[in-house]
Amino acid sequence: RKEVEQDPGPFNVPEGATVAFNCTYSNSASQSFFWYRQDCRKEPKLLMSVYSSGNEDGRFTAQLNRASQYISLLIRDSKLSDSATYLCVLSSGTYKYIFGTGTRLKVLA
Amino acid sequence: DARVTQTPRDKVTEMGQEVTMRCQPILGHNTVFWYRQTMMQGLELLAYFRNRAPLDDSGMPKDRFSAEMPDATLATLKIQPSEPRDSAVYFCASGVGGYEQYFGPGTRLTVT
Repeated sequence: RKEVEQDPGPFNVPEGATVAFNCTYSNSASQSFFWYRQDCRKEPKLLMSVYSSGNEDGRFTAQLNRASQYISLLIRDSKLSDSATYLCVLSSGTYKYIFGTGTRLKVLA
Repeated sequence: DARVTQTPRDKVTEMGQEVTMRCQPILGHNTVFWYRQTMMQGLELLAYFRNRAPLDDSGMPKDRFSAEMPDATLATLKIQPSEPRDSAVYFCASGVGGYEQYFGPGTRLTVT
């Protein structure tokens, strides 16, 4: 079983829609969680950290469910500019990041 | 707006040649990471440094890859000799204490 698993998508959604991605992880000792965004032929960019209590940044909401070992990302009111690959990232307290292979999102006009 | 910089941005070379990629981490960051990304494998950690000391390079093919930090403002990744299977995008990232890594624009390497 992979340490981090994501649905590769693509998720095709119309502008204005709400879309959610989940990411499951196998190591219960994982301590830090992040969502990164990667545009085509660009570097990954930190979108948001994921806190135990859940956190929101504008149209983006991230949640952590330790019992079921998954994190989620919810995007409300999708924009064309949200089209990208979303990478789930976790760390077990060392410097080592484990990246998921990403979920592709396409927001359609 | 502090950023990680990488050079070169693109490199095309022939099999057997030496390739050196350079990275300037964000000033004040004490951890530096080298990653490789391919369509098939996604992002793979090759090596990371803390305070210029190598902490883990287990993801790197030892016989041909080497990573160094000659000073706090420069990290290098060298491949010698290069092979076609090394074709990928190589990213450098830096951070403070390993939390929230910031990526450079990458070096797109093509080995023919």
